[in-house]
Amino acid sequence: QQQVKQSPQSLIVQKGGISIINCAYENTAFDYFPWYQQFPGKGPALLIAIRPDVSEKKEGRFTISFNKSAKQFSLHIMDSQPGDSATYFCAATPNTGKLIFGQGTTLQVKP
Amino acid sequence: EPEVTQTPSHQVTQMGQEVILRCVPISNHLYFYWYRQILGQKVEFLVSFYNNEISEKSEIFDDQFSVERPDGSNFTLKIRSTKLEDSAMYFCASRGGRDRHYATNEKLFFGSGTQLSVL
Repeated sequence: QQQVKQSPQSLIVQKGGISIINCAYENTAFDYFPWYQQFPGKGPALLIAIRPDVSEKKEGRFTISFNKSAKQFSLHIMDSQPGDSATYFCAATPNTGKLIFGQGTTLQVKP
Repeated sequence: EPEVTQTPSHQVTQMGQEVILRCVPISNHLYFYWYRQILGQKVEFLVSFYNNEISEKSEIFDDQFSVERPDGSNFTLKIRSTKLEDSAMYFCASRGGRDRHYATNEKLFFGSGTQLSVL
């Protein structure tokens, strides 16, 4: 299965709160799991990425948690800011270089 | 930071017409991609290109689509006979890796896209 399933479709969080976006996959050949951030009118931009041999990766306010046995991974945005309001896509790649994207989550951070 | 440049930003065409979407990838990159995003939906892979040939393509990338790197700097996507369902934002992307596998934190650089509207 080549799909990556992402939830929720949309998320509203208060400033300073934690935003959590979840993704699940089926293909065990996937070996690289990036998260992309997209602002309106722009292309997606890499936010943070993880490999399945690591259970957690943190960069600043952004953390990926990875559960290999459950085939799930999630993005946590700590201390969410209005500037984080964007669409977030999880993705995976099955060793071929192409990225398979999730459906996207529209995050709105209220001041 | 280096950028992938796409032109035009908007393209309106009649159904059945040919369109060429143009991209200038980052100069020392080796892998090139086209993705598309129908309004409100996920980003979908179309094709990857390496060493002057297609390395992988999706089911969407049928005989109506072709890619070319005519002069070592531009990377084009041609749709021979456009359909209404080809209306989407088309993104060009490039990366500099020496291997088809991503290095950790290796960026795939996306352009800002060409919004194609087929009437």
